[in-house]
Amino acid sequence: DAGVIQSPRHEVTEMGQEVTLRCKPISGHNSLFWYRQTMMRGLELLIYFNNNVPIDDSGMPEDRFSAKMPNASFSTLKIQPSEPRDSAVYFCASTTTGLYNEQFFGPGTRLTVL
Amino acid sequence: GDSVTQMEGPVTLSEEAFLTINCTYTATGYPSLFWYVQYPGEGLQLLLKATKADDKGSNKGFEATYRKETTSFHLEKGSVQVSDSAVYFCALSPASNTGKLIFGQGTTLQVKP
Repeated sequence: DAGVIQSPRHEVTEMGQEVTLRCKPISGHNSLFWYRQTMMRGLELLIYFNNNVPIDDSGMPEDRFSAKMPNASFSTLKIQPSEPRDSAVYFCASTTTGLYNEQFFGPGTRLTVL
Repeated sequence: GDSVTQMEGPVTLSEEAFLTINCTYTATGYPSLFWYVQYPGEGLQLLLKATKADDKGSNKGFEATYRKETTSFHLEKGSVQVSDSAVYFCALSPASNTGKLIFGQGTTLQVKP
């Protein structure tokens, strides 16, 4: 069991650049979540999908952030243009609704925007 | 709306001390309750869970009991080790079962030899 896979693990970019984070959920899971973690704000839910459909994107900070899930095995979180305040660790998690919602987290992507 | 409140950290203990991290929740209906642990540089991983009132979740020496009368799910361990140093998150899954989890703010535990 490979678990949730995220790439890249680390990303350093300059302000204004486009950043794309990738996630492969656990096979068979039908819900996928994107979180952001910072020291100041803790763990924040950005968006989640059920059966590849975005259900709640109220946590997406602003229009610079977008997320897609083109199929059951892949999702992206894009930031365009990136800003220094976007620096954080971004986690992807997946679950099967009905399994008491135990979410399985990926190792995270540490994003640094200079 | 549903919410989770944890005791503020950091919590600093000596090895073999008793640990309690308090967690209380506000929710409609009967949520499921979880404790997640995050070791340095890693993602969150499930530590234990309880899905109905009076259930006790346990794992790796940690325990928590789902108390509906006090809306609490306190985490306990009888004898902590240095390797338990991590951030602990209490979470609930609303009764609506959307898949979404509501997390507390996390409590940092540091265990000194």
